[in-house]
Amino acid sequence: GAVVSQHPSRVICKSGTSVKIECRSLDFQATTMFWYRQFPKQSLMLMATSNEGSKATYEQGVEKDKFLINHASLTLSTLTVTSAHPEDSSFYICSLLAGLNTQYFGPGTRLTVL
Amino acid sequence: QKEVEQNSGPLSVPEGAIASLNCTYSDRGSQSFFWYRQYSGKSPELIMFIYSNGDKEDGRFTAQLNKASQYVSLLIRDSQPSDSATYLCAVNPPGGGADGLTFGKGTHLIIQP
Repeated sequence: GAVVSQHPSRVICKSGTSVKIECRSLDFQATTMFWYRQFPKQSLMLMATSNEGSKATYEQGVEKDKFLINHASLTLSTLTVTSAHPEDSSFYICSLLAGLNTQYFGPGTRLTVL
Repeated sequence: QKEVEQNSGPLSVPEGAIASLNCTYSDRGSQSFFWYRQYSGKSPELIMFIYSNGDKEDGRFTAQLNKASQYVSLLIRDSQPSDSATYLCAVNPPGGGADGLTFGKGTHLIIQP
């Protein structure tokens, strides 16, 4: 399967600051990447679909101005959590679409907002 | 509304036995179905996918799909303690892979030595 990395793996920040998370495809050119969020003991929830060279598509209830997504190349998508607050603390996971349907996930980024 | 339902467990199975994990989905037009394993604090890793009705076997794992009943299952034979994890069922909507996956909440499986 495809290899996906995320950076940072863990971040702690103060309320009101912005945090950028990088998702890289190491061995696959990914036209489509996804961003998910997982709260403790909950399932993964799709936040947005990131398409290379175009605007991201956000799921209902996800604020596009708060969660900025940039997919400038076939190997890199970034998620920026702007003006983070404690309720944004979560496990953020990216994935890439390989082939028609299969997704491979990055190792995740654990965000803690104090 | 797309829904994927799983029994949250925990499901406790003795080592060496067969673990049976079940999942139902609400969108009848769903096309492809995935089982992911997630260890605590880690991201999901793909175990199997299945597109067609029937069984699909890969090593100790067998996925079963019944589209008429909107039901998909995962069997783990010769269960090992290392199989203890949360198993996530995920479904592609009718639009296909480009629309992202809908996940169930997962079943917590415990393999007892």
